[in-house]
Amino acid sequence: QSALTQPASVSGSPGQSITISCTGTSSDVGGYNYVSWYQQHPGKAPKLMIYEVSNRPSGVPDRFSGSKSGNTASLTISGLQAEDEADYYCSSYTSSSHVVFGGGTKLTVL
Amino acid sequence: QVQLVQSGAEVKKPGASVKVSCKASGYTFTSYGISWVRQAPGQGLEWMGWISAYNGNTNYAQKLQGRVTMTTDTSTSTAYMELRSLRSDDTAVYYCARARVAVAVPNFDYWGQGTLVTVSS
Repeated sequence: QSALTQPASVSGSPGQSITISCTGTSSDVGGYNYVSWYQQHPGKAPKLMIYEVSNRPSGVPDRFSGSKSGNTASLTISGLQAEDEADYYCSSYTSSSHVVFGGGTKLTVL
Repeated sequence: QVQLVQSGAEVKKPGASVKVSCKASGYTFTSYGISWVRQAPGQGLEWMGWISAYNGNTNYAQKLQGRVTMTTDTSTSTAYMELRSLRSDDTAVYYCARARVAVAVPNFDYWGQGTLVTVSS
């Protein structure tokens, strides 16, 4: 199972919006509404930000939103804040009943 | 509050085995599963597998089949991950994460603090 494809890095200024893409295949992202997004700060465990494509766990700001079109899922962060600077990973359920992660995207807040 | 507390760092020689524990609290252990995810130094996240704490069903990543075993002890609400025939590229931080009970979907809402496993001669 190949990793999902994410851009290596994205950047934005405080207050701006950014979108991180996550491209898979019809056997993972395109085939199931089980796409999640995780935020990871250096030296910390990942934190669930979005699950099942567009659902936010309790406590996650509504500045974070998720969507999916075909084989590509997206995470959008609006009103960027300094504390949003982190690595972001997408993940998806697969046709093999497994989980696959993306390679990760480093978000820099300028 | 939900907590997953993992065992401490390990240093192992190539060819050895390691067993990492993950003690859960703050929720009904058998109502969820546990997934294991590892992260090599400076690298991304890699899913290793999943176990249902309800019935012990497991699902392992293809590349680890035959080397990994995941178990649970419901009497102590603890999950275990054993990795055998260790190689240098198994050096990573290993995380446990709470998962769905019946299927290995990536809704990992709580994570352990991570356990560093170093494989070196």
